[in-house]
Amino acid sequence: AQSVTQLDSHVSVSEGTPVLLRCNYSSSYSPSLFWYVQHPNKGLQLLLKYTSAATLVKGINGFEAEFKKSETSFHLTKPSAHMSDAAEYFCVVSGMDSSYKLIFGSGTRLLVRP
Amino acid sequence: GAVVSQHPSRVICKSGTSVKIECRSLDFQATTMFWYRQFPKQSLMLMATSNEGSKATYEQGVEKDKFLINHASLTLSTLTVTSAHPEDSSFYICSASHRVLKSSDTQYFGPGTRLTVL
Repeated sequence: AQSVTQLDSHVSVSEGTPVLLRCNYSSSYSPSLFWYVQHPNKGLQLLLKYTSAATLVKGINGFEAEFKKSETSFHLTKPSAHMSDAAEYFCVVSGMDSSYKLIFGSGTRLLVRP
Repeated sequence: GAVVSQHPSRVICKSGTSVKIECRSLDFQATTMFWYRQFPKQSLMLMATSNEGSKATYEQGVEKDKFLINHASLTLSTLTVTSAHPEDSSFYICSASHRVLKSSDTQYFGPGTRLTVL
């Protein structure tokens, strides 16, 4: 069975400093992995998606994530945080069956200090 | 592209009434639509999966008679919360996946509907 673990419930950074949001996955096959962002009282926006084409995935708004099979990790990074990056971030794995269900991590709240 | 809308964005109703929430894919045909529920400061919980023209598949513990899902077309799915009670108050989010794209496991999310039952 697939599962996703987001290692930090909260991450706080200063504006202009790097962001690292950690995610580990468990899957018995090569998964599709996603990062979504949710701003307060909003729906989810797709940041990026990994589908085995390239291990380093570039997303929107300067975010990127690296798929490391040996570490079963898919951490999200950004070189320089902006105030507008403050939001909830979800690491997600796609289910194995044809229903394409998504399995969500518990989320990481990113706080950006001025 | 890949825009999903929900209506209404916010609804307040009295206990015992029914509320309908619409989910539309605006610029693509959706093979499948999904309905989620999100409690404050928590992750999303999948309620049901809906394929156009067929009955929805509900997750364990979700009452199908209380949360009625209709997927009448490739661009519209509705969730009706019947006989709503205060414990049904939540943020309901829908998502849709493309009909023809190979990457059909990518879901595009609506902006959510905040339901408050008094």
